[in-house]
Amino acid sequence: EAGVAQSPRYKIIEKRQSVAFWCNPISGHATLYWYQQILGQGPKLLIQFQNNGVVDDSQLPKDRFSAERLKGVDSTLKIQPAKLEDSAVYLCASSLHYRSSGNTIYFGEGSWLTVV
Amino acid sequence: AQSVTQLGSHVSVSEGALVLLRCNYSSSVPPYLFWYVQYPNQGLQLLLKYTTGATLVKGINGFEAEFKKSETSFHLTKPSAHMSDAAEYFCAVSDQTGNQFYFGTGTSLTVIP
Repeated sequence: EAGVAQSPRYKIIEKRQSVAFWCNPISGHATLYWYQQILGQGPKLLIQFQNNGVVDDSQLPKDRFSAERLKGVDSTLKIQPAKLEDSAVYLCASSLHYRSSGNTIYFGEGSWLTVV
Repeated sequence: AQSVTQLGSHVSVSEGALVLLRCNYSSSVPPYLFWYVQYPNQGLQLLLKYTTGATLVKGINGFEAEFKKSETSFHLTKPSAHMSDAAEYFCAVSDQTGNQFYFGTGTSLTVIP
């Protein structure tokens, strides 16, 4: 079974530029997550989709971050304009069900962003 | 609301020694508990999880964890450390909907030859 795919793996941009990350979840997984992991910290949830609808985006900085999940499969996370503090690993994850007890979240390898 | 505290951001053990990584949680309802491992330049991989039933949970790579409700703990152990265990370990808690995950800040494990 293929895992969660993410691209690009690494990206270096200048501040005020834009960047987009792509994620393809595990086949059949209804729920998709984007996490931000700053060096030395645990992952922080940015946005969570159930199929193509947003169920939680309370911690997404909406003035600069946006995400979409068209057709309930792939997702794209965009940052525009980027700030230095956006330097982090952006982890995409997916799970089979929404609101299912003992739900396991499966992570991709992450997209590493450096803003200079 | 749930939260997770991992005591010790860095732990060093000798190869062959016991590994003990500490995790305490706070939750107003019985939680579900998880340990994830992150190897350098990789995403998070599930080690083990506790939902219901037996409080001692066995996971991959020889790791296990015990849910102790009275101590609100879910410490991760391995009897004998291997060099390949060097990684970052994250404890996580979710509510019983299984959807909201809260991660600890992580513990970096170093194994000394």
